[in-house]
Amino acid sequence: NAGVTQTPKFRILKIGQSMTLQCAQDMNHNYMYWYRQDPGMGLKLIYYSVGAGITDKGEVPNGYNVSRSTTEDFPLRLELAAPSQTSVYFCASSPLLSRGHSNQPQHFGDGTRLSIL
Amino acid sequence: DQQVKQNSPSLSVQEGRISILNCDYTNSMFDYFLWYKKYPAEGPTFLISISSIKDKNEDGRFTVFLNKSAKHLSLHIVPSQPGDSAVYFCAASGDFGEGTQLTVNP
Repeated sequence: NAGVTQTPKFRILKIGQSMTLQCAQDMNHNYMYWYRQDPGMGLKLIYYSVGAGITDKGEVPNGYNVSRSTTEDFPLRLELAAPSQTSVYFCASSPLLSRGHSNQPQHFGDGTRLSIL
Repeated sequence: DQQVKQNSPSLSVQEGRISILNCDYTNSMFDYFLWYKKYPAEGPTFLISISSIKDKNEDGRFTVFLNKSAKHLSLHIVPSQPGDSAVYFCAASGDFGEGTQLTVNP
């Protein structure tokens, strides 16, 4: 039972490079999320998806893109990496929406630590 | 706009004693509050939640208290164990606090 799987675990990028952070879940959850966590800060929502083909912006979407072609996969794309995007990125999923008037907990992957130099 | 805040970055307690982690929020419309636990190099995992219509929820060694008038909640762990050493996040409506690093010393 893998849950939420994120790859890679670590990556170093040069400024201006692009990359895709992969996220896959095997729990058949409709809802998926991408967060970033900076040192001493809470998790900030980048994008989320309520189902295949539907995505929406979170608090900090600038510099990122997402797609959701299947229920299982929710990749996060950085097109022009900048030092401000150095962070730990977490992907999460839930069977019901975890925002608004909801007690639905999220299931998290183990994160991708990204450094941009 | 940070609606969920954890003002204590760290807390250190002795094994067997009580750990109290605090969380404040600003939005009186929040219906539910959740606590997550995070070990190094892992993602957060759900620990316990409480509805805004309750003032207490208990699950084994973990109890969460909610004071709506003060917009404050706390997580009590008793007795604390070394394996409880982790970062604890408070969350509501998908907003997360900054986290508190709990260290339980043997």
